[in-house]
Amino acid sequence: DTAVSQTPKYLVTQMGNDKSIKCEQNLGHDTMYWYKQDSKKFLKIMFSYNNKELIINETVPNRFSPKSPDKAHLNLHINSLELGDSAVYFCASSPQVGGRTNEKLFFGSGTQLSVL
Amino acid sequence: GNSVTQMEGPVTLSEEAFLTINCTYTATGYPSLFWYVQYPGEGLQLLLKATKADDKGSNKGFEATYRKETTSFHLEKGSVQVSDSAVYFCALIGGGSNYKLTFGKGTLLTVNP
Repeated sequence: DTAVSQTPKYLVTQMGNDKSIKCEQNLGHDTMYWYKQDSKKFLKIMFSYNNKELIINETVPNRFSPKSPDKAHLNLHINSLELGDSAVYFCASSPQVGGRTNEKLFFGSGTQLSVL
Repeated sequence: GNSVTQMEGPVTLSEEAFLTINCTYTATGYPSLFWYVQYPGEGLQLLLKATKADDKGSNKGFEATYRKETTSFHLEKGSVQVSDSAVYFCALIGGGSNYKLTFGKGTLLTVNP
């Protein structure tokens, strides 16, 4: 009964391949996110969806495409993988409290992507 | 735009030592401030938060006070344990970016027995 679950936990692939990471939350939250954490632990937001609508789209290569089939799921598809895409990718979700979202984020345990 | 600056690590302490991790911020308006903790191999978890000036957030022996005059939110703990070894992130929401949590770069804390 994990709150925010993402799969796979580890992903090792060759340069040029296309891969997807899936995320699901069973908390009933309205907002979901994808963050990228580099080897120095720096955490950078990539995308955010609120009720299936894209609300944050940071400067991310268009090889990265999020898809939210419903508000409990936010998947991340990556085309033509590059060495620099190697990182840990975290999915997160948050409730809306008093009209403000983001008061508390719940994170998944991460997907470690290694591009060889 | 909003930004968070926290002290660079790594920080290494002995068990029962006093911990301070400094955090300062830049934001328009009145941000809410947070500390998140990431234990090895896990995602981030909210440790504590403060939503207005002079509020003190506390949890698991950790404390941080929202200081508007110095734009700071330093994390403290009186006596650290080995189990506190983790990466600590200061973060804020505010200044019109209602949907975006801005994180500092993280500080790795290692506590030795």
